Amino acid sequence: QVQLVESGGGVVQPGRSLRLSCAASGFTFTSYAMQWVRQAPGKGLEWVAVISHDGSKKYYGDSVKGRFTFSRDNSKNTLNLHMNSLRTEDTAVYYCARGSLYFGFDYWGQGTLVTVSS
Amino acid sequence: QSALTQPPSASGSPGQSVTISCTGTSSDIGGYNYVSWYQQHPGKAPKLMIYEVNKRPSGVPDRFSGSKSGNTASLTVSGLQAEDEADYYCSSYGGTNNVVFGGGTKLTVL
Repeated sequence: QVQLVESGGGVVQPGRSLRLSCAASGFTFTSYAMQWVRQAPGKGLEWVAVISHDGSKKYYGDSVKGRFTFSRDNSKNTLNLHMNSLRTEDTAVYYCARGSLYFGFDYWGQGTLVTVSS
Repeated sequence: QSALTQPPSASGSPGQSVTISCTGTSSDIGGYNYVSWYQQHPGKAPKLMIYEVNKRPSGVPDRFSGSKSGNTASLTVSGLQAEDEADYYCSSYGGTNNVVFGGGTKLTVL
């Protein structure tokens, strides 16, 4: 069965960096674009970034552009989200999800909580 | 990119139908047939319920249906059941290699 497992969340000070990972299994990883979506405590969903199936194309939401970098390792079926210059407003549960920008995100991980606080 | 507009709450009694609206612009909902809807129970990850305006993934009951008119998309839940009580989010392709979400609607089954 399809599984997406995020890791790497925690408490970090403003201005510092953090790397999130997502381990994928149960499907042909190289065939799918992948996404990061976040949800601040008590708030709605916010799209963060997308990466194409082969990693050649990456696009970011305006609020993270220039600070976050999305990458994938197709040999290990993993995704990474490098988050730099973190702000308090980046505090959220971060979900990785499978799917393209057009056809919906059909599988989601359980999420990992990132708290940015001094 | 501005978020799509959803009513904060909706409600209905068991067995009734309820419709949740999602309003965007001609740059997102109105420009593409790439509207999705997600259900999220407290403490859980979102679940895809509708994609491409009106298509249901395998396993989603046919009580859930989607439609679109102009810049507004809608999700209708027919034959409401207790387990349908959840938050619902719409999303759309935003036109510039991005996705935009609605603010979410809390559905209460009375």
